[in-house]
Amino acid sequence: QVQLVESGGGVVQPEKSLRLSCAASGFTFSTYAIHWVRQAPGKGLEWVAVVSYDGDNKYYAHSVRGRFTISRDNSKNTLYLQMNSLRAEDTAVYYCAKSWSGSYIAPFDSWGQGTLVSVSS
Amino acid sequence: EIVLTQSPGTLSLSPGERATLSCRASQSISSNYLAWYQQKPGQAPRLLIYGASSRATGIPDRFSGSGSGTDFSLTISRVEPEDFAVYYCQQYGTSYSFGQGTKLEIK
Repeated sequence: QVQLVESGGGVVQPEKSLRLSCAASGFTFSTYAIHWVRQAPGKGLEWVAVVSYDGDNKYYAHSVRGRFTISRDNSKNTLYLQMNSLRAEDTAVYYCAKSWSGSYIAPFDSWGQGTLVSVSS
Repeated sequence: EIVLTQSPGTLSLSPGERATLSCRASQSISSNYLAWYQQKPGQAPRLLIYGASSRATGIPDRFSGSGSGTDFSLTISRVEPEDFAVYYCQQYGTSYSFGQGTKLEIK
């Protein structure tokens, strides 16, 4: 079955960097777009970024554009999120989520359990 | 950006009752690219409905979605104890955005 396992979260100071990973299994990773979605403590869901199946196309939410970079390594079945210039408002649980199809225009049909990022001095 | 507004914020019902959750978009959602997710405490969201009215794999038929354009709804015909959770709508036709959520709680 589909499995997505995030890692790399932790406590980081403002303006520092952190890289999250998402290890995928149970499906043909290289044929699906994959997203990052975050959820601040006690709050709702916020879409962060998406990368195309081949890694060539990437799109970001306004709130993270220019600071975060999404990437993937299809040889390792792994998704990444490089987060730079972190702010307190980036504090959240970060989920990776699989697109229902190879298209961007699709819902998210599988989610990881999330990794917590806490930005604090 | 398409803003999704869900109502009510909290819905208090007893098991066996019918639940109707609403999601209104700030502009028309193309081709009904509207999904609903369920999230329980400490868990990741789970896809329930996509394309406004299609149930995802394994979702019980007591869950149904309807609507078009800017007004959508999720209905649970008879709420089961395991259905008490937070529900989010999402549009995926123009970038991506989520509603703020509706909490379905036990009355």
